[in-house]
Amino acid sequence: SQQGEEDPQALSIQEGENATMNCSYKTSINNLQWYRQNSGRGLVHLILIRSNEREKHSGRLRVTLDTSKKSSSLLITASRAADTASYFCATVGVDSSYKLIFGSGTRLLVRP
Amino acid sequence: IAGITQAPTSQILAAGRRMTLRCTQDMRHNAMYWYRQDLGLGLRLIHYSNTAGTTGKGEVPDGYSVSRANTDDFPLTLASAVPSQTSVYFCASRRGGGADTQYFGPGTRLTVL
Repeated sequence: SQQGEEDPQALSIQEGENATMNCSYKTSINNLQWYRQNSGRGLVHLILIRSNEREKHSGRLRVTLDTSKKSSSLLITASRAADTASYFCATVGVDSSYKLIFGSGTRLLVRP
Repeated sequence: IAGITQAPTSQILAAGRRMTLRCTQDMRHNAMYWYRQDLGLGLRLIHYSNTAGTTGKGEVPDGYSVSRANTDDFPLTLASAVPSQTSVYFCASRRGGGADTQYFGPGTRLTVL
């Protein structure tokens, strides 16, 4: 079974708008990561947030983590057509196994 | 260019045949992973290896085996392929030593008929 559920499953926005994706997970975590996948390609790591962090930024990306609600959100500001991809959250458990458990992903379409 | 390579890129296989998917990394990463991705789903871990000489089972290990004879290579074998193993397979690696980021290969698209 997968750890996370992502919401929405699909998102379509206009270029320049912000995109927000949410991820919920079930068990305690060491960290949560967001990955991007372009169609037919491998995943690319975007950002990692640890369980003792609440917010993290990287360029146009902003990630928040609420461990009490077991949820995270990824915000992409000023979206571009090139941001069109699937976005996955993945968690690493507290057992330090470093095994990633992935959510089902959000498909983002940014219309030019 | 450093990274992970996978071979073949795609394969159509008859049910019952044996198949080995190859994965090689040149980053000297300690840990390596095999995932499968089915349509509309996230990735599920099949097997992993934290260091050369060791392997472990992931979430969906049945029907698959792996070996880790050296740091660079982590082949995935389907001893007797079944149609439910039709999927896209991704190999990934992680440096180890507390680093958490995984680096993914381009994937192998496998169809079992």
